[in-house]
Amino acid sequence: DVKVTQSSRYLVKRTGEKVFLECVQDMDHENMFWYRQDPGLGLRLIYFSYDVKMKEKGDIPEGYSVSREKKERFSLILESASTNQTSMYLCASSSRRSTNEKLFFGSGTQLSVL
Amino acid sequence: AQSVTQPDIHITVSEGASLELRCNYSYGATPYLFWYVQSPGQGLQLLLKYFSGDTLVQGIKGFEAEFKRSQSSFNLRKPSVHWSDAAEYFCAVGANNAGKSTFGDGTTLTVKP
Repeated sequence: DVKVTQSSRYLVKRTGEKVFLECVQDMDHENMFWYRQDPGLGLRLIYFSYDVKMKEKGDIPEGYSVSREKKERFSLILESASTNQTSMYLCASSSRRSTNEKLFFGSGTQLSVL
Repeated sequence: AQSVTQPDIHITVSEGASLELRCNYSYGATPYLFWYVQSPGQGLQLLLKYFSGDTLVQGIKGFEAEFKRSQSSFNLRKPSVHWSDAAEYFCAVGANNAGKSTFGDGTTLTVKP
């Protein structure tokens, strides 16, 4: 069964902390994405990566950074967490090789910043 | 820039009734269109997608959607709703096969017994 795994389901952090959200996929996908999901705002793209050590800003990159040292792993970093980053974070991956393209999603990490 | 509008924030239907969820998109070329479903506590799962060809596409769980270029719409339909269909539904438009999609705000479906 193909999978996108996010390391934590729930996370509580304090303002100013450095936060790492980890995502691993086992499908050998080239593309990986981080979205945040907020009520009434749908999903908004934070960062994405089309290859190892490659990253591109999405629609709302401010306050975030990412790391892709290995093909299967894509990390989202909050350098100094703030309360407005309380949200559900969804990782996704997809393949460039398939003409039947779709996103595979993890189950999400609900982050609360106090 | 591409964008997606889902006009209905919340829809309630009775079990066994038909369902239509609306989606309108804005995109400069031929779009790649998707419908995803998110059950409580879960990630998103693809229901169906349109890339080209037949404008009526069939998906999983008995869902279908019709691409209407003249109306810039990609509405999701199901003839008879089941209680297990209660979830949040997202329409998305993508630029190409790379998967960088823009999502609508979502429609929450409640199913009455």
